[in-house]
Amino acid sequence: DTAVSQTPKYLVTQMGNDKSIKCEQNLGHDTMYWYKQDSKKFLKIMFSYNNKELIINETVPNRFSPKSPDKAHLNLHINSLELGDSAVYFCASSPPVRANTGELFFGEGSRLTVL
Amino acid sequence: RKEVEQDPGPFNVPEGATVAFNCTYSNSASQSFFWYRQDCRKEPKLLMSVYSSGNEDGRFTAQLNRASQYISLLIRDSKLSDSATYLCVVTKAENSGYSTLTFGKGTMLLVSP
Repeated sequence: DTAVSQTPKYLVTQMGNDKSIKCEQNLGHDTMYWYKQDSKKFLKIMFSYNNKELIINETVPNRFSPKSPDKAHLNLHINSLELGDSAVYFCASSPPVRANTGELFFGEGSRLTVL
Repeated sequence: RKEVEQDPGPFNVPEGATVAFNCTYSNSASQSFFWYRQDCRKEPKLLMSVYSSGNEDGRFTAQLNRASQYISLLIRDSKLSDSATYLCVVTKAENSGYSTLTFGKGTMLLVSP
């Protein structure tokens, strides 16, 4: 049983298109995240939600819009895709952030290629 | 200065070697520190936390020097299966009162027979 699952795993699309990546966790965690790992392997946080509420919103273009319908799901919608959006997008979850255990549980990643 | 800096490597070592990775962080208010491991084309996974007193988990030893804002990971008796990228991670307090984890770029380790 996959703890954090994200779909699709691979996504190839044209510039200007709109696409979504879905994420679900069955760990009962309150907090979920989206991270982006670019071609230089730098893993950078984009968003964090705690119990469906947005708590972290790093400097990300507003073409990226996260949505959390419930605390087990955090989806990422991207409008007007650009070449620079090509990356691996990781969803993650953790117990309440204030617990500060440092353990994030990552999904397997969604590799987005924009042509 | 980047928030979390690591030597990207790769470190090429033979099986059985001892190898050490270093990491420096810029935010003196950082509270917690960790090492994650990421295999090629896989997701990162927590390897171990790093405590001020230093801590050991089998062949792995992590150390923290708050005064120098420096973290290290030592791997003894390297195995082929240790080949991976090792990510240094520190927590950063946000204005919201929550903390986020900031990842270094990682150090790649290649262990050869």
